Amino acid sequence: DVKVTQSSRYLVKRTGEKVFLECVQDMDHENMFWYRQDPGLGLRLIYFSYDVKMKEKGDIPEGYSVSREKKERFSLILESASTNQTSMYLCASTSPGGGNEKLFFGSGTQLSVL
Amino acid sequence: GESVGLHLPTLSVQEGDNSIINCAYSNSASDYFIWYKQESGKGPQFIIDIRSNMDKRQGQRVTVLLNKTVKHLSLQIAATQPGDSAVYFCAENRGGTSYGKLTFGQGTILTVHP
Repeated sequence: DVKVTQSSRYLVKRTGEKVFLECVQDMDHENMFWYRQDPGLGLRLIYFSYDVKMKEKGDIPEGYSVSREKKERFSLILESASTNQTSMYLCASTSPGGGNEKLFFGSGTQLSVL
Repeated sequence: GESVGLHLPTLSVQEGDNSIINCAYSNSASDYFIWYKQESGKGPQFIIDIRSNMDKRQGQRVTVLLNKTVKHLSLQIAATQPGDSAVYFCAENRGGTSYGKLTFGQGTILTVHP
């Protein structure tokens, strides 16, 4: 079965801390994505990567960065956490080709910034 | 029905009824659409997809209808069960070379009463 694993289910951090959210997929997918999910706003794309060492900004990249050193791992970094980054973070992956762009999601990391 | 950027609608049905969840999209260039189901505490799970060269696609107990003229998508669930209770999201791709970059609707909360 396809699996996207996010290392933490819940995280509590303090304002100003540097935060790392880790995501690993075991499907050999080229493409990986980070979304955040907020009530009433749906899922919004933060960053994505189509290949190792490659990254592109999504719709709301401010305050975030990413790292893709290995194909299976995509990390989201909050350089200096702020309270408005309290949210559910979802990692997803997919593979180009096959005529579809179906994303496979992890279970999410609920981050609270105090 | 749901639309990107607005309130989270709700749908309440009795077990065994058919459910219809609606979604409006705005991007005429979108050529691929997906429905996701998200249960409490989990990441979104793929239900069914449809490409823009189709009007209808059926899965197990689910049917997706696409009306490109009015940019409308619907998900029909037959014989709804309590396990179908979840938030349902529609998503559209952004066309062109934006592979895997999906735009999500706000979600519709489906509650199934036994």
